[in-house]
Amino acid sequence: IAGITQAPTSQILAAGRRMTLRCTQDMRHNAMYWYRQDLGLGLRLIHYSNTAGTTGKGEVPDGYSVSRANTDDFPLTLASAVPSQTSVYFCASSVTLDSNSPLHFGNGTRLTVT
Amino acid sequence: AQKVTQAQTEISVVEKEDVTLDCVYETRDTTYYLFWYKQPPSGELVFLIRRNSFDEQNEISGRYSWNFQKSTSSFNFTITASQVVDSAVYFCALRGLDGANSKLTFGKGITLSVRP
Repeated sequence: IAGITQAPTSQILAAGRRMTLRCTQDMRHNAMYWYRQDLGLGLRLIHYSNTAGTTGKGEVPDGYSVSRANTDDFPLTLASAVPSQTSVYFCASSVTLDSNSPLHFGNGTRLTVT
Repeated sequence: AQKVTQAQTEISVVEKEDVTLDCVYETRDTTYYLFWYKQPPSGELVFLIRRNSFDEQNEISGRYSWNFQKSTSSFNFTITASQVVDSAVYFCALRGLDGANSKLTFGKGITLSVRP
């Protein structure tokens, strides 16, 4: 079934550790995104990518980095995790970055930083 | 900057009641798109509908209907004869045309509980 795969499903991480959340899509979508979801705050955009080789900052990029080496993969890295990065992380993709293109989401990664 | 406001945070209804989820948006773009997503207890985000700013026709899909009122910057979602399976968090979202506004901006979500 076509879609977005995120890994791991959940993770408990000690503060200061490095962590990469993986995201792979098989829909050949050009645009990809990372959101974090926090209670009372909804979903906030961390980083996005218009196409392979390009990335951009979203609303809350600090403490996170991304790369887009190819169309399918868009990993999110926390270089040195802090407790405030405890959240549910969603990867998403859309055909293009154009505003009429709906986003399709993965099932999320629940990250707890202790 | 664009903004989406979902003033209702939690709604509880009894099965078979009708319920309306409100969404008010702010944008300076003349062309934009509005979306609704559903997040059931299992956690995934499910796309429900997309509406562009030039199309103010209401839309009905089964028990779901959407009322887009450009004059009041609202895009409300009504569930008719609600069912327990409708229990979820519902997000309204907005995408403008250019630059930062072309990214999807979400409201904070409305938690709907439908009791048997």
